[in-house]
Amino acid sequence: DQQVKQNSPSLSVQEGRISILNCDYTNSMFDYFLWYKKYPAEGPTFLISISSIKDKNEDGRFTVFLNKSAKHLSLHIVPSQPGDSAVYFCAAISGSNYQLIWGAGTKLIIKP
Amino acid sequence: DVKVTQSSRYLVKRTGEKVFLECVQDMDHENMFWYRQDPGLGLRLIYFSYDVKMKEKGDIPEGYSVSREKKERFSLILESASTNQTSMYLCASSFGRRGGNTIYFGEGSWLTVV
Repeated sequence: DQQVKQNSPSLSVQEGRISILNCDYTNSMFDYFLWYKKYPAEGPTFLISISSIKDKNEDGRFTVFLNKSAKHLSLHIVPSQPGDSAVYFCAAISGSNYQLIWGAGTKLIIKP
Repeated sequence: DVKVTQSSRYLVKRTGEKVFLECVQDMDHENMFWYRQDPGLGLRLIYFSYDVKMKEKGDIPEGYSVSREKKERFSLILESASTNQTSMYLCASSFGRRGGNTIYFGEGSWLTVV
């Protein structure tokens, strides 16, 4: 039973355009969400996060939107750059739990 | 700078061998984790530890054990390696009770069991 779902295994976007990566969750107790980026043969690195008390968080080219009623969050990258090509993982956590619940990841390919 | 170091990047082991994967963090973090990453399955938690000598099972603990004798070191042990344990293993650490808040990962260890 996947509590965090990234339904698109891969996404291809033209350089300079907007990349939108989606994530859905089922557990209404989740109150903190994170996005991680992973290059091949490297560990994931933290990208951006959002608390459930917000519906948007922005950091440079990266914006995360949270729709609690739909249990949906999305990561927008504008403009997309070749270095953004990576696998992006969505993760969620609730309360004082130690465990992050991870999505399966979406491979983003930025075409020149 | 934050540092999680995994001792081996690439290992090839035979079926039935005992395998040790070592992880050290220099951030004085309470929480440490071992994940494996497989294509299409994302990151799956094997074990985690929120204190020295403490350990908790994650989602897929079968075939694995862990050891945390010191705060900075968390070891993953495959008692008898099998081919279905061929994977990328990721160690991670974080601070405080809220384990997900900025979790830092090591570079990963690629294990092939033949």
